[in-house]
Amino acid sequence: AQTVTQSQPEMSVQEAETVTLSCTYDTSESDYYLFWYKQPPSRQMILVIRQEAYKQQNATENRFSVNFQKAAKSFSLKISDSQLGDAAMYFCAYRVTYSGAGSYQLTFGKGTKLSVIP
Amino acid sequence: DTGVSQNPRHKITKRGQNVTFRCDPISEHNRLYWYRQTLGQGPEFLTYFQNEAQLEKSRLLSDRFSAERPKGSFSTLEIQRTEQGDSAMYLCASSYKGTGFSGNTIYFGEGSWLTVV
Repeated sequence: AQTVTQSQPEMSVQEAETVTLSCTYDTSESDYYLFWYKQPPSRQMILVIRQEAYKQQNATENRFSVNFQKAAKSFSLKISDSQLGDAAMYFCAYRVTYSGAGSYQLTFGKGTKLSVIP
Repeated sequence: DTGVSQNPRHKITKRGQNVTFRCDPISEHNRLYWYRQTLGQGPEFLTYFQNEAQLEKSRLLSDRFSAERPKGSFSTLEIQRTEQGDSAMYLCASSYKGTGFSGNTIYFGEGSWLTVV
């Protein structure tokens, strides 16, 4: 079974600084997707960034970027120039690539609570 | 694109009562998912629909839980004879048909928070 581990229950960062959130996963699949979702106190889960496993290039979305190490099964999220609005729970998630059959559920880690200090 | 819509947003019910939640997915999304999230935990998968067909159910979906998507559009999640352990956020999500990024990215609603007293 696939598992996703986020080893940092809480993190804090000074406004305008950079922070990295860790995520490791376990799978026997070779083709899959990885995601980072943000859940602010309003509780809607918002997609931050996504990565296809077969792409070696790390995904970036504005201030958000990932460090994807497939062999190490590691998928960390870097937030640059942190803003107060970045404060939220961040969840790492895994999903096997859809191919018309099988299980396509997202498997989530337990989350990392990020606080941004003004 | 109006996003995934869920209602009610909050529901307080007495133990033993039945509750029903509704989810309206993003239009043109033929895949719909239900997840449950308790405090301090990540969401856990409950069930998945492709159009009106329920293709996958988690072991978490006991016989007191039933989900439907009768016309392949909105979905309902009913919990019968609620128990205090059912208190959680119930999240609905949808994704576009097909493969690639669009087919493999899931968008979530704001959730329906259930409190069983």
